Amino acid sequence: EADIYQTPRYLVIGTGKKITLECSQTMGHDKMYWYQQDPGMELHLIHYSYGVNSTEKGDLSSESTVSRIRTEHFPLTLESARPSHTSQYLCASSEWDTIYNEQFFGPGTRLTVL
Amino acid sequence: AQSVTQLDSHVSVSEGTPVLLRCNYSSSYSPSLFWYVQHPNKGLQLLLKYTSAATLVKGINGFEAEFKKSETSFHLTKPSAHMSDAAEYFCVVSDQTGANNLFFGTGTRLTVIP
Repeated sequence: EADIYQTPRYLVIGTGKKITLECSQTMGHDKMYWYQQDPGMELHLIHYSYGVNSTEKGDLSSESTVSRIRTEHFPLTLESARPSHTSQYLCASSEWDTIYNEQFFGPGTRLTVL
Repeated sequence: AQSVTQLDSHVSVSEGTPVLLRCNYSSSYSPSLFWYVQHPNKGLQLLLKYTSAATLVKGINGFEAEFKKSETSFHLTKPSAHMSDAAEYFCVVSDQTGANNLFFGTGTRLTVIP
């Protein structure tokens, strides 16, 4: 079954820790995205990728980094977590060669940094 | 530049009554517009999309939206609300340049009263 997965779903961690949020999709999509969503707020794009070895910054500046070594995998890393990083992080993917740009979203990772 | 404005942060309706969620857009190009729904603790799901074909777009779960260029609007409607419609709804515009990224509105929380 084609789908997009995120792990962990919830993470509570102390300040200064390094964390990696995982995102995988089984749809063979070229484009993948990371969004940040604060409670009750809109989604802001923080990273996206056109394909393997491609990473771009989105419209919201973020201290996180991403990598795209495999088509299906797009992990997000915070080298040193801070309370200001507390938020929900949503991963998405879409086909590259469509003007419709329908994106498929994962369930999200809710991150709390103490 | 592309953006959307959702005119109501919260809409409350009684079960069985019509739903209207308002959205105005701003785009330098002929836009692609979407409505996404986010249920609690679940990922975002595409309700419907407009891509310069028919101006009245039908989506899942009985929702539809009408693209009105003269009013720069893309309001979401449903004739009869169901309890399961309670969720957060996002109006979204697609960047029609090479990146084809999405710009989300601030969201409208729909409450359905039994």
